[in-house]
Amino acid sequence: GAVVSQHPSRVICKSGTSVKIECRSLDFQATTMFWYRQFPKKSLMLMATSNEGSKATYEQGVEKDKFLINHASLTLSTLTVTSAHPEDSSFYICSANSGTNTGELFFGEGSRLTVL
Amino acid sequence: GESVGLHLPTLSVQEGDNSIINCAYSNSASDYFIWYKQESGKGPQFIIDIRSNMDKRQGQRVTVLLNKTVKHLSLQIAATQPGDSAVYFCAENTGTYKYIFGTGTRLKVLA
Repeated sequence: GAVVSQHPSRVICKSGTSVKIECRSLDFQATTMFWYRQFPKKSLMLMATSNEGSKATYEQGVEKDKFLINHASLTLSTLTVTSAHPEDSSFYICSANSGTNTGELFFGEGSRLTVL
Repeated sequence: GESVGLHLPTLSVQEGDNSIINCAYSNSASDYFIWYKQESGKGPQFIIDIRSNMDKRQGQRVTVLLNKTVKHLSLQIAATQPGDSAVYFCAENTGTYKYIFGTGTRLKVLA
């Protein structure tokens, strides 16, 4: 199946700094990628839809100035958590559609962010 | 609507028994559904999918049932093994590749 890679898998940062998480589709081109956030023992919450070459579409309640998304190429989307605070600590997961008719989503391995 | 914010229910099953995990979806217009398995600290993995024009689909050891009348999905795992222990999520497609995830169920396989 299609492969989606996320980096870094774990990151610890100080409060007030910014952190960038990368999501790459390794063997297919993804015009659309999705960013999810997951709290411990909770479900995945869609944060935004990342569109190649255009602005991301954010879900209600998600601060676009806090969570900057860039989708500069067909294989790379980045999520930057700006001026991170402890409440931003979470598991962030990206996904991409392989472009087949099934509409199946492939997920990255996730990135665990801890803000001290 | 979304079920974000609810704590995960847990299903404990004896090794070798069959497991049934249930999911209620929210949008009657959703036409594609996927079951995902998520192990601790990892991203979700695809298990099986089903389209709304079907009511049953079988894979290897897994079966998905869809009841559109009551907006209900179930995942059946035959002969449950320790490696099946994980959190299972259903996801509904509400529009072009956009998915909404259910609350999830933690499956614990007892030896």
